[in-house]
Amino acid sequence: ETGVTQSPTHLIKTRGQQVTLRCSSQSGHNTVSWYQQALGQGPQFIFQYYREEENGRGNFPPRFSGLQFPNYSSELNVNALELDDSALYLCASSPGTSRGTGELFFGEGSRLTVL
Amino acid sequence: AQSVTQLDSHVSVSEGTPVLLRCNYSSSYSPSLFWYVQHPNKGLQLLLKYTSAATLVKGINGFEAEFKKSETSFHLTKPSAHMSDAAEYFCVVSSPGTGFQKLVFGTGTRLLVSP
Repeated sequence: ETGVTQSPTHLIKTRGQQVTLRCSSQSGHNTVSWYQQALGQGPQFIFQYYREEENGRGNFPPRFSGLQFPNYSSELNVNALELDDSALYLCASSPGTSRGTGELFFGEGSRLTVL
Repeated sequence: AQSVTQLDSHVSVSEGTPVLLRCNYSSSYSPSLFWYVQHPNKGLQLLLKYTSAATLVKGINGFEAEFKKSETSFHLTKPSAHMSDAAEYFCVVSSPGTGFQKLVFGTGTRLLVSP
């Protein structure tokens, strides 16, 4: 069974640029969530995708957007990067419906540095 | 709104001694609570979860947690620490009933284990 994989693992961007992060969900999982973890903080919920639709969003501006594909893989896009966007971005997948039981399976994350 | 408060940012123990990581929660209804662990440069891994069944929950690697409604607490314990337990631990509450699954993380407790 393949776990959640994310790419790239590290990347550096400059302010104003755009970035795309990718995630392959665990086999059989149709729900994908994205979290932002700033240094020294707990992860913060960005949004969740279920069957290719965004069905929940945290307190993040519209320049954070995403996609989910028919194979349940997902992308996180961030436009107009700001210094505060520097963080570890975690993708998590889960099986079943969007309500779930709370158990998420996390990837190792993509560490974004904005200069 | 659901929230969790981790009472200690750092906990230091010696190998072979008990571990206690403290967590208080706030929820307007019966919560689903979790503990996740994050080792350096690794993704988050579920240790255990409480979903209104038994109040004493056993998890992986010898960890357990007790749900105490009267104290709004969900402390994580282990009888005997091992060097490999050194990591960041997050207490987490799930936000059900909103149509999607959102996890709210505490700020984390870093567990240091000395020989």
